[in-house]
Amino acid sequence: RKEVEQDPGPFNVPEGATVAFNCTYSNSASQSFFWYRQDCRKEPKLLMSVYSSGNEDGRFTAQLNRASQYISLLIRDSKLSDSATYLCVVKSSGGYNKLIFGAGTRLAVHP
Amino acid sequence: DGGITQSPKYLFRKEGQNVTLSCEQNLNHDAMYWYRQDPGQGLRLIYYSQIVNDFQKGDIAEGYSVSREKKESFPLTVTSAQKNPTAFYLCASSIYRDADGYTFGSGTRLTVV
Repeated sequence: RKEVEQDPGPFNVPEGATVAFNCTYSNSASQSFFWYRQDCRKEPKLLMSVYSSGNEDGRFTAQLNRASQYISLLIRDSKLSDSATYLCVVKSSGGYNKLIFGAGTRLAVHP
Repeated sequence: DGGITQSPKYLFRKEGQNVTLSCEQNLNHDAMYWYRQDPGQGLRLIYYSQIVNDFQKGDIAEGYSVSREKKESFPLTVTSAQKNPTAFYLCASSIYRDADGYTFGSGTRLTVV
């Protein structure tokens, strides 16, 4: 089983739609959680951290359920510029607290 | 402006050759990392370095080597022992080990011809 699993998509949605991405992680001792955005053939960039109480940044809302080991990202009022791959990232615990990346979910927003 | 510079952007390697990918940062970050990305897969950690003159193997270190002689520089050598080197290579840094925020370079796309 992969340490971080995501639906690969693609999710094809019209502008203005609301879209939700899900992610599960296997290590219950994981400490920190993030969503990164990666444009085609570019480097990943941090979109937002995910906190236990849930957090919002404009049109983006992230949720964490530690009991279910589940993370979500909700994008409201989708824009064409939101088209990208969204990576779920978990910081593992242990001797070295490395970041573990999911394979990503691709989003395509069309007019 | 501070950041991470990777070069070259595209690299072609003949089978049996060693090639070195450059990664330079001027962020004054202690920790640096090399990741490999293949289509449909998440980033996988090759090597990391927490401080100058120290580095550790990641999950897929076989066929790769690194050095960290200066804080700013963390070059990655892809040796002929790496059987499937065609991939997108990403270098990243963080202010210290265990820091949450990683800054990535723009990547090097390596192709074996």
